[in-house]
Amino acid sequence: SAVISQKPSRDICQRGTSLTIQCQVDSQVTMMFWYRQQPGQSLTLIATANQGSEATYESGFVIDKFPISRPNLTFSTLTVSNMSPEDSSIYLCSGTSGDWEQYFGPGTRLTVT
Amino acid sequence: KQEVTQIPAALSVPEGENLVLNCSFTDSAIYNLQWFRQDPGKGLTSLLLIQSSQREQTSGRLNASLDKSSGRSTLYIAASQPGDSATYLCAVYFGNEKLTFGTGTRLTIIP
Repeated sequence: SAVISQKPSRDICQRGTSLTIQCQVDSQVTMMFWYRQQPGQSLTLIATANQGSEATYESGFVIDKFPISRPNLTFSTLTVSNMSPEDSSIYLCSGTSGDWEQYFGPGTRLTVT
Repeated sequence: KQEVTQIPAALSVPEGENLVLNCSFTDSAIYNLQWFRQDPGKGLTSLLLIQSSQREQTSGRLNASLDKSSGRSTLYIAASQPGDSATYLCAVYFGNEKLTFGTGTRLTIIP
């Protein structure tokens, strides 16, 4: 199994600013993902973080708003850019093992004022 | 379209009862199915993973079953406790390099 940590665990940010969330895995995972969970909703996949290349974004999410990096197999960052109150959500990082079991980080709770 | 559904959206049961949570999916060609637990404002904790070749998996008081032909999975919780109160999410891997999540069942165990 993999243990995933995220920083920060929570933050309160002002409209128009950006926040970078870090995700660290304790072992190599084949794939890493970023999800958003808005209040009372299920998870929505933002993108697949690809090592050394551009992330693969889901419909409705764009690189300018959510730039993602994955410089190696165990680390990734998600930036939420030019934030608005609608970006207030929990952001979750996950990774998969070889048999496609998925592990999640504890989440980052973002509030935009 | 590959979809995952969980009914009911919320469930309340008295402490000590056995209970079943349901998950259904639209495409029987799955690779695996995973049950998660989520506490309010927290991340997801993996409970059980069932591969497509398996019929069930057990961990402690939890038992998950898989019936691909009918497109269903159940999570059985024995002797429920207040600490079992959480949202339970079912997620299916259809082989398209991402998980498809259900909307979850919010479980409340009444002391």
